[in-house]
Parts: sequence; C-alpha cells; structure tokens
Amino acid sequence: QVQLQESGPGLVKPSGTLSLTCAVSGASISSSSWWSWVRQPPGKGLEWIGEIYHGGSTSYNPSLKSRVTISVDKSKNQFSLRLSSVTAADTAVYYCARRLFSSSWSIIDYWGQGTLVTVSS
Amino acid sequence: EIVLTQSPGTLSLSPGERATLSCRASQSVSSSYLAWYQQKPGQAPRLLIYGASRRATGIPDRFSGSGSGTDFTLTISRLEPEDFAVYYCQQFGSSPYTFGQGTKLEIK
Repeated sequence: QVQLQESGPGLVKPSGTLSLTCAVSGASISSSSWWSWVRQPPGKGLEWIGEIYHGGSTSYNPSLKSRVTISVDKSKNQFSLRLSSVTAADTAVYYCARRLFSSSWSIIDYWGQGTLVTVSS
Repeated sequence: EIVLTQSPGTLSLSPGERATLSCRASQSVSSSYLAWYQQKPGQAPRLLIYGASRRATGIPDRFSGSGSGTDFTLTISRLEPEDFAVYYCQQFGSSPYTFGQGTKLEIK
C-alpha cells in the first residue's frame, strides 16, 4: 500500500519561505510516476501547485512558478516543496500526491493526509 | 490554462435519488485526461473516475462518468448517505492540471 506523509512547519511568517517534505512508502520515488503538490485554502477548492519526476523534470503552475521549487531526494524516497515570499493567501492545507500516467490516461491515485500551513506573524 | 466550471455549486438531494454533476471546460480536453474526485471534510480527495468514464478501483458501480470535448458529467445513480460530499473534476490534458471549483452534494 502506497502511503505519503507531509511534514513541515505549520506556521510561517509573511515574506518567509514555506518548506514541506513528503515521505513516500510502499513505492519507489524512482518509479514511473510524477510526484505532485496540491493545496486547498480553508473552505475553498483545490489548486495544483506542480510536480516532479524522479529524473528531476518539473512542471509548475504559472501562477506560482516564480516562487515555487519542487525537488526530490531519491536516497530518502521523498520529495519537497519550497514556496517563497509567502503571504496570507498561501494559507492552505498542502497535499502531496502521486500521479500515474499512460498513453491513454492520467490519475492522481494516492494522496497524503494533508498538512495545514498558516501564514501569520 | 484550461478553466473547468462545475455546476451546480450546491446540489440538494435525498438518499435514493439520482445526482447529475456537470464539469465544463474552457477548451477541449481529451476524455482520456478528465478525472473526478470525492472529498469529505477533513479528508484528502479520493479518485472516483478517470479517463472520463472509467471507475477507479473499489468505486461502486452507482458512480459513472461520461462526456467528451468540453462537457463532462458525473452521475450517481442512487444516492447513499456516504455519498454526500464535495466533488471535483480535474483535467490532465495540459499543464497546469486545473481543478473545477467543486460541487457540494448535500442532504435535502
């Protein structure tokens, strides 16, 4: 069974950098999967942040691209999110997830439980 | 960026009734790359449908998906109490992989 677990500070100061890590178990981060981050502001909908492939290829949401970095640590079977220059608008539950794909479909099949990050002084 | 618009925003129905949820895209999406998720309070989304019409593993057959191009539909044939939740569509046709804003299915 694939499991993903987010970890990181629950409180970040405005203008600071949000850093989260997603530990993956039950699957190799070097498998044919994209490893994704999705966020959800309190009471609102889902926003795709970006993803990384184990080889290092990344894809980011243009709305966040200037502030986002996603990286992978194969030795620890985990991947990470960094979001710089945060404001209150970045307060959200952050989910890590796995995206599988083929020539004829794509899915996010496993999600972490989510971690709430609040941006406040 | 492909914008997905879901309707209605809220759907009030009773157990046993049929639910029809809509997801409309601002430009054509390959049906291979349209998925539906269910989310309950305090939980991560759960994959229901992928490829517009394929049920994910373990999903009851009362859930079905259809559509192509810019118009997609999620149908729940006979609502069970555990089906009342928020439903999102997502497209993987082009990055960024956008979500709809969600439809809340509530008990009438």
